[in-house]
Amino acid sequence: EAGVAQSPRYKIIEKRQSVAFWCNPISGHATLYWYQQILGQGPKLLIQFQNNGVVDDSQLPKDRFSAERLKGVDSTLKIQPAKLEDSAVYLCASSLVVGPTGELFFGEGSRLTVL
Amino acid sequence: GQNIDQPTEMTATEGAIVQINCTYQTSGFNGLFWYQQHAGEAPTFLSYNVLDGLEEKGRFSSFLSRSKGYSYLLLKELQMKDSASYLCALSGGSYIPTFGRGTSLIVHP
Repeated sequence: EAGVAQSPRYKIIEKRQSVAFWCNPISGHATLYWYQQILGQGPKLLIQFQNNGVVDDSQLPKDRFSAERLKGVDSTLKIQPAKLEDSAVYLCASSLVVGPTGELFFGEGSRLTVL
Repeated sequence: GQNIDQPTEMTATEGAIVQINCTYQTSGFNGLFWYQQHAGEAPTFLSYNVLDGLEEKGRFSSFLSRSKGYSYLLLKELQMKDSASYLCALSGGSYIPTFGRGTSLIVHP
């Protein structure tokens, strides 16, 4: 079974530029999450989708971050304009079920460096 | 809201046993997860507890006490490859997993 796919793996940009990350979850997983992980910290949820609807985006900095999940499968996370503090690994995860036993399957992440 | 607390770093010797603690406060509880994350890699699922008690899975065990807001991950027969960050994650009222900062475990010979 193919895992969660993310691209690009690495991206270096200058502040105020824009960047987009792509995620393809495990086939059949209805729930998709984007997490931000700053070095030395645990993952912080940015947004959760259930199919193509947003369940929670309360911690998404909406003035610069946006995310969409068209057709309930692939998802894109965009940052525009980027700030230095956005340097982090952006992890995409999916789960088969929503609920207490919903184990998350993570992609390898997209490492962003903002100069 | 939710708050999760775990030690920043621990060291242990190969072949030994180590216990990584996690304490939490939450208004709703639907389970506690442990994930392992090697440097530069994605987190991978280790265990899940929703009822009080001990869940054993090979060399790894996880314990939960809901009344005390406390969990621990027990690693036996430590191996060098167990050097990693161990993330405690809480599934609260909305079922959205919230992660702690992680405990960096260093296993030395």
